[in-house]
Amino acid sequence: DAKTTQPPSMDCAEGRAANLPCNHSTISGNEYVYWYRQIHSQGPQYIIHGLKNNETNEMASLIITEDRKSSTLILPHATLRDTAVYYCIVFLSSGSARQLTFGSGTQLTVLP
Amino acid sequence: EAGVAQSPRYKIIEKRQSVAFWCNPISGHATLYWYQQILGQGPKLLIQFQNNGVVDDSQLPKDRFSAERLKGVDSTLKIQPAKLEDSAVYLCASSLESGPQGEFGAGTRLSVL
Repeated sequence: DAKTTQPPSMDCAEGRAANLPCNHSTISGNEYVYWYRQIHSQGPQYIIHGLKNNETNEMASLIITEDRKSSTLILPHATLRDTAVYYCIVFLSSGSARQLTFGSGTQLTVLP
Repeated sequence: EAGVAQSPRYKIIEKRQSVAFWCNPISGHATLYWYQQILGQGPKLLIQFQNNGVVDDSQLPKDRFSAERLKGVDSTLKIQPAKLEDSAVYLCASSLESGPQGEFGAGTRLSVL
């Protein structure tokens, strides 16, 4: 699986958009980009995933560059409850051993 | 829909003792995972089950860790004997065979003294 690089920490003002970057320069053509977050003392929570096109759901938007070497997770209106560690993960979504390999993630702190 | 249930939530033991964790996945989820998360790090996969068979246990320290998933539903993870470096949160996750990763439980926080 391709490795990812994320900044260790970021701050964001409450109500503003939080833009979390992720570099995955060695991603293969059939590998997906997944985002999870982990709020303190809870298990990781799935946010969104994509292959080539930008994706949006009720939680966030995912912007993947045309060359697929990087992506950005956007939380459009961050709230205090969005304070968490955000993990960007790339993996091959086929075969029986479909596993997520977590890095260290980005600690997002939403400030009042 | 009930989430992934794990118990206990917390466990404190002394080194060389044994401990077991229990996981009840979401109903109908064929795939079950156990992860170990050391403080300050991301979760690390220990073992993956498909129904009651092991798909991948390459990162499970088999000299002291064991896991089983009887009848393809509940699962237990055991450590015997525990070491200080086993202090971590043990997370269980489950997913449909063809869906995305699925859901995680809240985890069991183990402290080995």
